[in-house]
Amino acid sequence: GNSVTQMEGPVTLSEEAFLTINCTYTATGYPSLFWYVQYPGEGLQLLLKATKADDKGSNKGFEATYRKETTSFHLEKGSVQVSDSAVYFCALLSSNTGKLIFGQGTTLQVKP
Amino acid sequence: DTEVTQTPKHLVMGMTNKKSLKCEQHMGHRAMYWYKQKAKKPPELMFVYSYEKLSINESVPSRFSPECPNSSLLNLHLHALQPEDSALYLCASSQEAGAGAKTDTQYFGPGTRLTVL
Repeated sequence: GNSVTQMEGPVTLSEEAFLTINCTYTATGYPSLFWYVQYPGEGLQLLLKATKADDKGSNKGFEATYRKETTSFHLEKGSVQVSDSAVYFCALLSSNTGKLIFGQGTTLQVKP
Repeated sequence: DTEVTQTPKHLVMGMTNKKSLKCEQHMGHRAMYWYKQKAKKPPELMFVYSYEKLSINESVPSRFSPECPNSSLLNLHLHALQPEDSALYLCASSQEAGAGAKTDTQYFGPGTRLTVL
């Protein structure tokens, strides 16, 4: 079946630190991969996506590369800001069912 | 523009009330979704509409009744809810839905925070 596993949080970093949030997936077929961000009290916002192997998605300084050989889609940012504090969800769009499968979410807290 | 709007933002209702949640998008998307999200959990899919027809019902209790009046609007009618139904209800849309929509991106609204007393 399809599943997404994210590193457990919360992740606490100081401002300007390097961020990595690990995400691995299990899927049949060739899914598209996404990172969504949810700020406190808000809905989900699309952060970035990749639709095939070796694609790199990027947005607002965040990057993630679709690695088929390691079935991973790790989220990285070189220098985090307090405003990046949020919950980050890794997700795959199943090519078999068309359903979006989410990881459990990782809470990031950035301290000044 | 990738905006999905939802009203109301907050809703408090009793277990005997009838209320409705509304969702709207003007991106020309033909697929719309309802999700339920409990605190500190990922969203859970409830319903999918494709071309204004219900295509997926994830075994949701009948006290939740979806409706898609046209391709831009999606409603969720609520009746005789339980306190455990309190959650954030998210609407989303995408260009297409289903197994063939491999690359389709779902865009989410801000959600309706529902409290059932």
